[in-house]
Amino acid sequence: DIQMAQSPSSLSASVGDTVTITCRASEDIGNFLAWFQQKPGKAPKSLIFDASTLHSGVPSKFSGTGSGTDFTLTISGLQPEDFATYFCQQYNIYPYTFGEGTKLEIK
Amino acid sequence: QVQLLESGPRQVKPSETLSLTCSVSGGSMSPFFWNWIRQSPGKGLEWIGYISYTGSTYYNASLKSRVSMSLDTSKNQFSLNVDAVTAADTAVYYCGREVCSRGTCHFDYWGQGTLVIVSS
Repeated sequence: DIQMAQSPSSLSASVGDTVTITCRASEDIGNFLAWFQQKPGKAPKSLIFDASTLHSGVPSKFSGTGSGTDFTLTISGLQPEDFATYFCQQYNIYPYTFGEGTKLEIK
Repeated sequence: QVQLLESGPRQVKPSETLSLTCSVSGGSMSPFFWNWIRQSPGKGLEWIGYISYTGSTYYNASLKSRVSMSLDTSKNQFSLNVDAVTAADTAVYYCGREVCSRGTCHFDYWGQGTLVIVSS
C-alpha cells in the first residue's frame, strides 16, 4: 500500500496567518491527491482534488500544489472557521490511503 | 445539496456482523461510486471499499474476506456488512460519494460518520 506521510501532525497559528501542510507519498501518485477538512462531529469536507483543483464553493484562500510524491496545502488569511483537522488522500492506486491528519489550532 | 447519512447499530458483539446503511438525499445514485471509510480511535483513516451505481464492488484486500456491500437504488441507499468483528473493528464509519470525470475519480461528499463499538 502507498503510505502518506503528512506533516506537521499539529500546528498552532493566529487569525490572519498563512499556513502550509505537507503530504508525501511513498511512491509516485501523479497528481491523484485530494485534501479534506474535518471538524468534530461533522462530515469531512472535500477541498481539493487532482492536487490543485478546488471543489466548487471552496474559497480561493485554499490552494494545493505538487505532483509525484510531494504535495502541499496552503491556507491563507486564516479565519476562526478554518481551525480544523486537515488530511490528504491518494487515489492513484487501490487501496486508497490517507495521511494521518494535521490539527490546526488557534494560537 | 447532496447529503449522506450513516445509520445502524452503535454496538456489535464480537464475532457478529456489523451492518450499516448510508442514505443519500439531494441526488441520484447514478453515475457515482459509493465508498465506505473508517477511522479507529487514535488511528488514521482506512478505506474499506466501494460499490458502484451498477453494483460492481471493490474491497480493500485487508478486509476483503469479511466485507460485503450492496446497493438499493430504489431507496437511494447502500450498505456495508463486516463479518466476524473484533475489537479492532471499533471505529467511526463514514460513507462517501466518489465522482468520476475526465478519467479520474475523487471523493466529493461524505457522511458525518457513525461510531460503532465492538463489545460484549
